[in-house]
Amino acid sequence: DGGITQSPKYLFRKEGQNVTLSCEQNLNHDAMYWYRQDPGQGLRLIYYSQIVNDFQKGDIAEGYSVSREKKESFPLTVTSAQKNPTAFYLCASSDQGSYNEQFFGPGTRLTVL
Amino acid sequence: AQTVTQSQPEMSVQEAETVTLSCTYDTSESDYYLFWYKQPPSRQMILVIRQEAYKQQNATENRFSVNFQKAAKSFSLKISDSQLGDAAMYFCAYRRRGNKLVFGAGTILRVKS
Repeated sequence: DGGITQSPKYLFRKEGQNVTLSCEQNLNHDAMYWYRQDPGQGLRLIYYSQIVNDFQKGDIAEGYSVSREKKESFPLTVTSAQKNPTAFYLCASSDQGSYNEQFFGPGTRLTVL
Repeated sequence: AQTVTQSQPEMSVQEAETVTLSCTYDTSESDYYLFWYKQPPSRQMILVIRQEAYKQQNATENRFSVNFQKAAKSFSLKISDSQLGDAAMYFCAYRRRGNKLVFGAGTILRVKS
């Protein structure tokens, strides 16, 4: 089955630690995205990548980093510089066609203690 | 910068009745896409319906339809014959250049039996 997987579903970390969230897709999509969801604010774009080995900052990139070494993988690292990292994180992917609907993964809930 | 506004934090509807969720957006672009996404308690984002701005005809998907008023920058979602499974958070989204989505804050829809 084609789709997007994110792991783990729940993640707990101590303040000051870096943590990496996994996102894998087998849809053969060129583009991948990371969003953050907070209560009452909808989804906000952190980083996106339209092709392997290339990525751009979104609206709230500070305190986050990404890599895109493989087409199917787009891991997100939440660094200790992120002031308020507790949130729900969603990964998405799309192809590069004219319509290019974004398909979403199931998300990871990160809690920093 | 594009913004999306959902003015109804919560809505309720009786099962089998019709409900309309509101969305307005701000943009200077003439060609764009608009979407409604559903996020049930599982938190999986599901595309409900999309509208291309260049199309005058309102999109329809089974019980879901939109009222797209381009001049007014309004994009409301109508759900007919509401079902218990429609209960979810609904997000309106605008697709800007580079296939980046801008989301509204969401509307929680409760369906009463």
